[in-house]
Amino acid sequence: QKEVEQDPGPLSVPEGAIVSLNCTYSNSAFQYFMWYRQYSRKGPELLMYTYSSGNKEDGRFTAQVDKSSKYISLFIRDSQPSDSATYLCAMYTGTASKLTFGTGTRLQVTL
Amino acid sequence: NAGVTQTPKFRILKIGQSMTLQCAQDMNHNYMYWYRQDPGMGLKLIYYSVGAGITDKGEVPNGYNVSRSTTEDFPLRLELAAPSQTSVYFCASSYLGTLGNEQFFGPGTRLTVL
Repeated sequence: QKEVEQDPGPLSVPEGAIVSLNCTYSNSAFQYFMWYRQYSRKGPELLMYTYSSGNKEDGRFTAQVDKSSKYISLFIRDSQPSDSATYLCAMYTGTASKLTFGTGTRLQVTL
Repeated sequence: NAGVTQTPKFRILKIGQSMTLQCAQDMNHNYMYWYRQDPGMGLKLIYYSVGAGITDKGEVPNGYNVSRSTTEDFPLRLELAAPSQTSVYFCASSYLGTLGNEQFFGPGTRLTVL
C-alpha cells in the first residue's frame, strides 16, 4: 500500500464548477499537508500549506484536512480554464526533511 | 531572485554516456533535493542534501551521484546512462524551520536516453 493515494484523473469540469481533489494517506505521523499545482512542462509550485486538521482558505481555494480519517481535500470554487493543471498533494512528518507526494490528479476546466 | 534554476532544459543521451544536470538556488536554503517524475508516477526522490558537504540517498538513487560543495549548487551526475533514466528531473530547495518544509522547484530538465 502506498503511503499517499491520489486519483490520477483526468478530471474534466466545465468553467465555473466547484472542483474537489482528494488524497488519502496511511502514515499517522504526517503533520503538514501541502497542495502543489503543476502546469504542463513546468515545475510544481506550492498552492496551499496547512498544519493540523481543519480548513484553510485562500481566494478560490480551500484546503481541508481530516486527520482522524487520514484524508485531505482541495476545493476550487468558480473554476477557470487557467486552473487546468496537475495537482499534487504532499505531506511531511515535521521530523524529517522529506516530503511524500501523491501521484497527482490532472484537471481540465473546459469553456 | 531567480529562485531555483536548472540547466539544461532538454538533453538526449546515448546509452552509456554520462552527464551532469546542474541546479542552483539563490534563496540561501539549507536543503536541496533531486526528483524524477515519470508519467503517472508522481515525484520520486533521488538524493537530497541538508547542507554543504552532506548528502543522502532518497527512494531511487541507483545510477546517480550528487555532491554539494556550496550552499547554492547541487549537481546530479548520471553515469552510464540507461533508457530507464529517461524522465523529467526536478531540483528543489527548502529552508527547514519551524514553518515546515515548503519546497521550491526548478523548471525541470527533460532527459531522453536512446
